[in-house]
Amino acid sequence: DSGVTQTPKHLITATGQRVTLRCSPRSGDLSVYWYQQSLDQGLQFLIQYYNGEERAKGNILERFSAQQFPDLHSELNLSSLELGDSALYFCASSVARGNTEAFFGQGTRLTVV
Amino acid sequence: GNSVTQMEGPVTLSEEAFLTINCTYTATGYPSLFWYVQYPGEGLQLLLKATKADDKGSNKGFEATYRKETTSFHLEKGSVQVSDSAVYFCALSPIQGAQKLVFGQGTRLTINP
Repeated sequence: DSGVTQTPKHLITATGQRVTLRCSPRSGDLSVYWYQQSLDQGLQFLIQYYNGEERAKGNILERFSAQQFPDLHSELNLSSLELGDSALYFCASSVARGNTEAFFGQGTRLTVV
Repeated sequence: GNSVTQMEGPVTLSEEAFLTINCTYTATGYPSLFWYVQYPGEGLQLLLKATKADDKGSNKGFEATYRKETTSFHLEKGSVQVSDSAVYFCALSPIQGAQKLVFGQGTRLTINP
C-alpha cells in the first residue's frame, strides 16, 4: 500500500459527460501529480500541484482541470468526455524536495462509451 | 526535449533466466533515473533509482547503473522468478528538486515456470 488513495477505482460514463476523480496523497506529502496511462500514448504527465498551487503542466487538455484543496487532496475534472479519454488515471504524491520518489495510487480506470 | 526509450516487449523468459531490459534517455542537465514496476491491476511502485552518474540502484535482486557516457540505465536481474512478471517502466526526473516524471513506453515481462 503506497498510502495514496484514489477514488473511484472504476468509472463508466457516456461521451459528453463530466467526471471528477479524487486523490488523497500520503500523509505529509505536499505535492500531487496526475498522470494518464493509455494504450496509444503510454504514461503521460498531466499536471502537478504543490501545497495548493499549480506547479507544472504537461499534456493536459483544456477540457481537463485540476485543483488541490487546503487539506491537500486533489481532484481532476474531465469534461466533454470523448471516447479517446478512456484511460487509467494515476495520482502520485511526493514531498517534492530534492529528487524524492513519487508514490502512486492504484489509479482510476475511466471508460467512456 | 526529455525522453526515455525502452526495449520493446513483450519479453518472455523462463524462471531463473538472466534479465536485461534496456533503457536509454535524452535529457538536458543531470536527471534522476528510476525504474517503476506495475503488477497486474495495481499502480506503479518504485523499484529502484539513481540520482547521479555511476550510481547503482538496487532492490529485490534488480540492479541498474546510471551511465552518463552512454545515457543508459539498463535494468538487470540475475535470476528471475514467476513473481517478477509485470510491466517495467524506465523514467527520468529532468529537473533537480522536481518530480515531473518522463516515462518510457513500458516493457511487459512474463516469466514462465
